[in-house]
Order: sequence, then structure tokens, then C-alpha cells
Amino acid sequence: NAGVTQTPKFQVLKTGQSMTLQCAQDMNHEYMSWYRQDPGMGLRLIHYSVGAGITDQGEVPNGYNVSRSTTEDFPLRLLSAAPSQTSVYFCASSRTLATSTDTQYFGPGTRLTVL
Amino acid sequence: SQQGEEDPQALSIQEGENATMNCSYKTSINNLQWYRQNSGRGLVHLILIRSNEREKHSGRLRVTLDTSKKSSSLLITASRAADTASYFCATEKQTGANNLFFGTGTRLTVIP
Repeated sequence: NAGVTQTPKFQVLKTGQSMTLQCAQDMNHEYMSWYRQDPGMGLRLIHYSVGAGITDQGEVPNGYNVSRSTTEDFPLRLLSAAPSQTSVYFCASSRTLATSTDTQYFGPGTRLTVL
Repeated sequence: SQQGEEDPQALSIQEGENATMNCSYKTSINNLQWYRQNSGRGLVHLILIRSNEREKHSGRLRVTLDTSKKSSSLLITASRAADTASYFCATEKQTGANNLFFGTGTRLTVIP
């Protein structure tokens, strides 16, 4: 299994541009999520999904959209990039939402810079 | 707001020494987990301790949980240079969506 994959690894955008960060997992996990990691802030949850067709907001959802049309894919869309969205983005998945029993697996991250 | 805060922010020790990192959190939890992140990489799950547990071991890792103080500690014994990484605690709150809330992390450097 490839686990959780993310593309691209690096991206530079200009303010106002839009783009999609891709995330895929081949473990048939129901639960997928997106986090952003900023220096000194730890990881903060942006959006999550408990299954195909179901998404919900996390701590910091503004400026981001998600969809979950298949179990495998969970893309994150930046609608109009802002410098405040400069960050490292991590996608994660687990078998279910039950964090007491199901380990979350993280992708390698996408480093995004917005100029 | 951050659910967890790690202490210290950075720790530097000699190989073979023990490393202790602490995590404090704010609300009642179902469980607390520790993750490791190597530089430029994703997070890797290390160990989970449930709210009704007080101590847990996994290899060279020892985790304690004190729910009355809302704190946890991660002890890495006989550290190795390969243990150099950032360590994060993450909590699952009892109320609301069962997502994980991460702390700010401790940067551990083990000097060979």
C-alpha cells in the first residue's frame, strides 16, 4: 500500500489565485482530514470527512473547500489564496473516526507559499 | 484555541540519556496520543493512552496521564540520535466531534 499520498509537495501561489491540494489513500479508510501546520501553532484541523459524500468543518475552515466524491480522494481547494494561508498542509486518514481504536496515518505534506 | 501545550518547546540531550516531554490540555478527554514528526515529514503515531489509564509502555516509550491535572508526559529512555524529531500530543475531547487537537510540539535533539 502507498498509504496516504499528497500532491504537490511544494507550491507557490500569488494572492488571489486558486488551487487544489490533492490527497489520496489506498487503505479504504472512511475518515480523512486536512490539517495545516504553522510555526509554533501545532496542527489545526481544517476540514474532515467521515465517508464519501460527507464533509464537515474543523477549527479553521475559512478560505477552504473540500469534497469527498470517492472513498480514496479528499481534495482541498483554496478559493482565493491569501498570504495567511502560507503553511504546510497535511492530509490524514484512519479506518473510522474512532480515534481510540483507529490510528491516523499522515501524508508527507504540501508546503504552500502565497506571495 | 489550542487544546494541548507541550513543555519544553525544545530539548537537547546526549545519546543514552532519558528525555521527558510534558503535555497539558484544557478540557476533558477520551484519549491522548503522542506523535513524532521528523523534519520535513508527516506525523507518525507513537502511542495512545485512554482517559481511564494512568500509564502505558511501548518499547522505550513510557506515557503517563493525570486527568486530575489535565497533563501527560512522554518519557523516551536510552535516547538515540534517531529519536531526534518533534513530538506532539493530541487529544480527543469528550464532547463535540471526535477529532484530534494537537499541541504545539517539543523539538527533541539527541546529540551523538
